[in-house]
Amino acid sequence: NAGVTQTPKFQVLKTGQSMTLQCAQDMNHNSMYWYRQDPGMGLRLIYYSASEGTTDKGEVPNGYNVSRLNKREFSLRLESAAPSQTSVYFCASDRSGSLSGELFFGEGSRLTVL
Amino acid sequence: GENVEQHPSTLSVQEGDSAVIKCTYSDSASNYFPWYKQELGKRPQLIIDIRSNVGEKKDQRIAVTLNKTAKHFSLHITETQPEDSAVYFCAASTGGFKTIFGAGTRLFVKA
Repeated sequence: NAGVTQTPKFQVLKTGQSMTLQCAQDMNHNSMYWYRQDPGMGLRLIYYSASEGTTDKGEVPNGYNVSRLNKREFSLRLESAAPSQTSVYFCASDRSGSLSGELFFGEGSRLTVL
Repeated sequence: GENVEQHPSTLSVQEGDSAVIKCTYSDSASNYFPWYKQELGKRPQLIIDIRSNVGEKKDQRIAVTLNKTAKHFSLHITETQPEDSAVYFCAASTGGFKTIFGAGTRLFVKA
């Protein structure tokens, strides 16, 4: 039982390049999330998916797109990376985003944009 | 917008002492208050949580208190150990879609 797995763990991009962060969960959770973590700012929600086939913007969605590929997988895409997107990205999941409960996080992806 | 304020941002204690981290929230509809611990380079993991119908909850050396009227909640760690050193995040939630995190507290426990 791997929980939430995300790839890659580290990535360095040049300004303007694109990339996709992959996330998968094996807990049969309905809801999945992408957060970014910056020093002194906690965890901020980028996008979420309440259930397979739906996605919605979170607090800081600009510059990102997402795809809920199936119930297990939720990817985050940066179309044209900017230095302001240098951050640590966490994927998370829970049983149902409409109910309050524990969020299960992946190990994080550290992205540097030069 | 809704927010969660967390204090202090850094806390240094001697091993065996107690540590207290405080949070305030703005959304009166919040009904779930989790605390996550993040060790260096690791993922955040839930250590304790409390729901709005409970005033206090304890799990071994960790306790959380909630004052709904004042919109305050706190994490208490007693008999701190070096392995308690980490960043701690509070959050206020009305559901996973609406979970607002505090900025985090970096706790150092000196041996």
